[in-house]
Amino acid sequence: DQQVKQNSPSLSVQEGRISILNCDYTNSMFDYFLWYKKYPAEGPTFLISISSIKDKNEDGRFTVFLNKSAKHLSLHIVPSQPGDSAVYFCAATGPSGAGSYQLTFGKGTKLSVIP
Amino acid sequence: GEEVAQTPKHLVRGEGQKAKLYCAPIKGHSYVFWYQQVLKNEFKFLISFQNENVFDETGMPKERFSAKCLPNSPCSLEIQATKLEDSAVYFCASSHWSNQPQHFGDGTRLSIL
Repeated sequence: DQQVKQNSPSLSVQEGRISILNCDYTNSMFDYFLWYKKYPAEGPTFLISISSIKDKNEDGRFTVFLNKSAKHLSLHIVPSQPGDSAVYFCAATGPSGAGSYQLTFGKGTKLSVIP
Repeated sequence: GEEVAQTPKHLVRGEGQKAKLYCAPIKGHSYVFWYQQVLKNEFKFLISFQNENVFDETGMPKERFSAKCLPNSPCSLEIQATKLEDSAVYFCASSHWSNQPQHFGDGTRLSIL
């Protein structure tokens, strides 16, 4: 039973354009969501997060949107750069205060930014 | 340090042998997490620690797997009597508080032959 789903295994985007990566979740107890970027042979690198009390969080070129009613979040990268080419993982955790903060990951989306 | 340091980068063991992996969390971080990546893009939570205390071990296989975080020592994950199915990349992560972003090391690739 996959609680965090990234339905697009791959995405190609032209340099300078917007990249939109999507993530759906099924567990309504999740209340904190994160995006990680991963290069081969390296560990996931934290990019941006959002709490369930917000619907948007922005950090430079990265914006995460959360739609709680749809159980959907997305990561927008604007403008996309060739160095953004990597596998992006959506992760979720919660409920906060319940005693476990393990991350539940999606299967990732491989983003290729074409120069 | 400023990064989560995992050693060794790659560990090869024959089936039935013991494997021990190490993780030094970021200095000042109270929480440590272990994850197993078996298939290329699937992460499985194993165990977490709050300082030297087990916080959540719901993901740990009951047999063969054990972990510790002792004061002034790297955390460790030990697998007794390894099996072929234990071949995976094992990631360690740490966070300052419980519900803050976890920062990952580069993993240890365990190969069981």
